[in-house]
Amino acid sequence: GAVVSQHPSRVICKSGTSVKIECRSLDFQATTMFWYRQFPKQSLMLMATSNEGSKATYEQGVEKDKFLINHASLTLSTLTVTSAHPEDSSFYICSAKKPGAQPQHFGDGTRLSIL
Amino acid sequence: AQSVTQLDSQVPVFEEAPVELRCNYSSSVSVYLFWYVQYPNQGLQLLLKYLSGSTLVKSINGFEAEFNKSQTSFHLRKPSVHISDTAEYFCAVSPDYDKIIFGKGTRLHILP
Repeated sequence: GAVVSQHPSRVICKSGTSVKIECRSLDFQATTMFWYRQFPKQSLMLMATSNEGSKATYEQGVEKDKFLINHASLTLSTLTVTSAHPEDSSFYICSAKKPGAQPQHFGDGTRLSIL
Repeated sequence: AQSVTQLDSQVPVFEEAPVELRCNYSSSVSVYLFWYVQYPNQGLQLLLKYLSGSTLVKSINGFEAEFNKSQTSFHLRKPSVHISDTAEYFCAVSPDYDKIIFGKGTRLHILP
């Protein structure tokens, strides 16, 4: 149980395009989802916390207009990287958790490459 | 505020040898402690966690970690590693399960 699916697994696109990444909890309702960014050989850095039906809470230094997060249902959150540039290239990982004191379950990540 | 220190960025070890991955943390409040494993190009999988009770916690694949409050450590150990254990291991803490602070990770490299 507690499976989180992330799609796509890999994206390569031109500079200036927008890219949407989906994060789905397949077998549970996730009231909270998290988006992380991981640079090569670095740890995960939390970008934002997404609660179903409300605006996402962004960490300091993360541009909310650049990284649009939507959590429209209890099983789906999306991250849209708008007008992507090469410096946005990274590994993006989402996680989801059930209400209360429950562990986060992670997706397999999306490797984004901007040319 | 919390922080996590993983002193070793990379640990090479021969197959079937024991291994210890070190983790120290700092926090002014009680925290949950975790070890996550990340296989190449994949997300993180929870390996084991400590919430309270027995200070020694074990995973189903032979790993164990011991919480040491006085040393603020949560080192991960395995008595005999296998080639399939090759991965990146992240120690993490969280005061509430929501805000997870990760260490920089330790790459476990199994030598044949």
